[in-house]
Amino acid sequence: NAGVTQTPKFRILKIGQSMTLQCTQDMNHNYMYWYRQDPGMGLKLIYYSVGAGITDKGEVPNGYNVSRSTTEDFPLRLELAAPSQTSVYFCASSNQLHEQYFGPGTRLTVT
Amino acid sequence: ILNVEQSPQSLHVQEGDSTNFTCSFPSSNFYALHWYRWETAKSPEALFVMTLNGDEKKKGRISATLNTKEGYSYLYIKGSQPEDSATYLCAFGRGSTLGRLYFGRGTQLTVWP
Repeated sequence: NAGVTQTPKFRILKIGQSMTLQCTQDMNHNYMYWYRQDPGMGLKLIYYSVGAGITDKGEVPNGYNVSRSTTEDFPLRLELAAPSQTSVYFCASSNQLHEQYFGPGTRLTVT
Repeated sequence: ILNVEQSPQSLHVQEGDSTNFTCSFPSSNFYALHWYRWETAKSPEALFVMTLNGDEKKKGRISATLNTKEGYSYLYIKGSQPEDSATYLCAFGRGSTLGRLYFGRGTQLTVWP
């Protein structure tokens, strides 16, 4: 089992560019999540999904979009990147106990 | 806004010291309380999931307790080692939003040799 994988590991974007952060899990988990880590602020939930075709907003969804067409994949789309979106992004999935398994993270810089 | 508070924010101890941290969460609509360990430059890893009032979990030198009536959980580390240095996150699961966790900001532990 690879667990939760994320690509890319690092990315630098210019202001106004768009990109998609990829996330895949091979544990057949229904729940998947996107978080961002800001210094001193812990983890902030961007979006989450309780199953294929179902997504919901978290605490900080503005500037992001998600889709969940399969159980395995949960991509996060950034439209019109802004410096405030500079962060480390973690994807996670959870089992029946809602115990979360995190991917390795994507470090994004917007300049 | 649902508040999950952790204290202290940071802690520095000597190797061999025992230490404990606190997580406070809403006592209503409780579903589960999670603890995660997060080493620098890595991803958070689950330590414990507790669902019942009075639950106690143990993994090696690390243990946790849960009081859902008053809304707190303690994490204990016995005989701290430098490899225990990490940020310890707690997360609250609410019954009305199953699957979603509300994370505290964490307690950053540094263990000096």
